[in-house]
Amino acid sequence: GAVVSQHPSRVICKSGTSVKIECRSLDFQATTMFWYRQFPKQSLMLMATSNEGSKATYEQGVEKDKFLINHASLTLSTLTVTSAHPEDSSFYICSALPGLIVGTEAFFGQGTRLTVV
Amino acid sequence: KQEVTQIPAALSVPEGENLVLNCSFTDSAIYNLQWFRQDPGKGLTSLLLIQSSQREQTSGRLNASLDKSSGRSTLYIAASQPGDSATYLCAVTNGGSQGNLIFGKGTKLSVKP
Repeated sequence: GAVVSQHPSRVICKSGTSVKIECRSLDFQATTMFWYRQFPKQSLMLMATSNEGSKATYEQGVEKDKFLINHASLTLSTLTVTSAHPEDSSFYICSALPGLIVGTEAFFGQGTRLTVV
Repeated sequence: KQEVTQIPAALSVPEGENLVLNCSFTDSAIYNLQWFRQDPGKGLTSLLLIQSSQREQTSGRLNASLDKSSGRSTLYIAASQPGDSATYLCAVTNGGSQGNLIFGKGTKLSVKP
């Protein structure tokens, strides 16, 4: 299957600082990438949909000024958690869709465990 | 609004047993349904993808079925092994969406040697 690389896998940061997470599709072009968040014992919840060359679409309750998403190329999307607080500690994971056809398999990165202290 | 429910939330079985994990979804207008495995602190491993026009998919000891009209899917694991211990997630892609997945909370499986 196609490979999606997410980096870093773990990060610990101080409250008030910003953290950038990268999501790369290594062997295919991804017009659309998705960012999910998973709190302990909860399901993965979609945060935002990232489309190459346009602004991301955020789900209700997700602050777009706090979670900055940039999808500047067909192989890279970044999520920046700005002014992180302990309640932002979570597991963040991206997925990428090859091509433009909805319903094809999306491929997931390895996830990033963010801990804000 | 699509909701995905997985039952049971946790399951413990002795090694060698066959088992069934259940997933239900409220809106049958889906593109596909996917089963994943998630190990503690890790990302997702895709197990099986069933398109809306399909009724089942098989991979090794795994068989997933889909009854779209009734909003149900099952994941059958044959001859379970301790290495199968993980959380199993069910997710659907809604029709009319951009392709994002809606996940259940998962079933945590423990296979005892």
